[in-house]
Amino acid sequence: GQQVMQIPQYQHVQEGEDFTTYCNSSTTLSNIQWYKQRPGGHPVFLIQLVKSGEVKKQKRLTFQFGEAKKNSSLHITATQTTDVGTYFCAGTLISSGSARQLTFGSGTQLTVLP
Amino acid sequence: NAGVTQTPKFQVLKTGQSMTLQCAQDMNHNSMYWYRQDPGMGLRLIYYSASEGTTDKGEVPNGYNVSRLNKREFSLRLESAAPSQTSVYFCASGVLGPSRTEAFFGQGTRLTVV
Repeated sequence: GQQVMQIPQYQHVQEGEDFTTYCNSSTTLSNIQWYKQRPGGHPVFLIQLVKSGEVKKQKRLTFQFGEAKKNSSLHITATQTTDVGTYFCAGTLISSGSARQLTFGSGTQLTVLP
Repeated sequence: NAGVTQTPKFQVLKTGQSMTLQCAQDMNHNSMYWYRQDPGMGLRLIYYSASEGTTDKGEVPNGYNVSRLNKREFSLRLESAAPSQTSVYFCASGVLGPSRTEAFFGQGTRLTVV
């Protein structure tokens, strides 16, 4: 089945440093989404990327979708303590019956040290 | 607008007991999902329902059953709970299309099986 791998699993950074998490799929994705989960909370949608090579920015967050639509990255510039949480990528798989299931990566847990 | 509502928020079961986790959404979404989240494992798909009246197995369906009662409600049943089912369970609903994909999560159910 479809595999969505995410690295690193954990990342500790000093406040003000940059952070990047990477997502790789074994199959071509129709689109990819990124979610953030605060400690003790539930995943919250951040953004979706659809086009090959697409780059989107949200303030200090930059999201990229690879040319082959098999990989993606999330980069945070100058981290803040409010960035703490686990970041997940998710890809959409279309099953043989055309039903769409959402497959999540294992997540990257970000700790920001003040 | 409540979004996705899960009940209960916390539950402790003895091995062999059964229970049903309830989930309801008020966003008129066709797709609904049940995930479990374990440390270091990300979000693993248990079952999903692409539309009312249909359900499909995800990555880890063993030990679980689901019912898509109507468009709003999607329940998850543990017939005979086992300690390996100790986890945080998230229900999600969403828009899953070729150009737009976004999932909305409930607050989660923290289940402990002793």
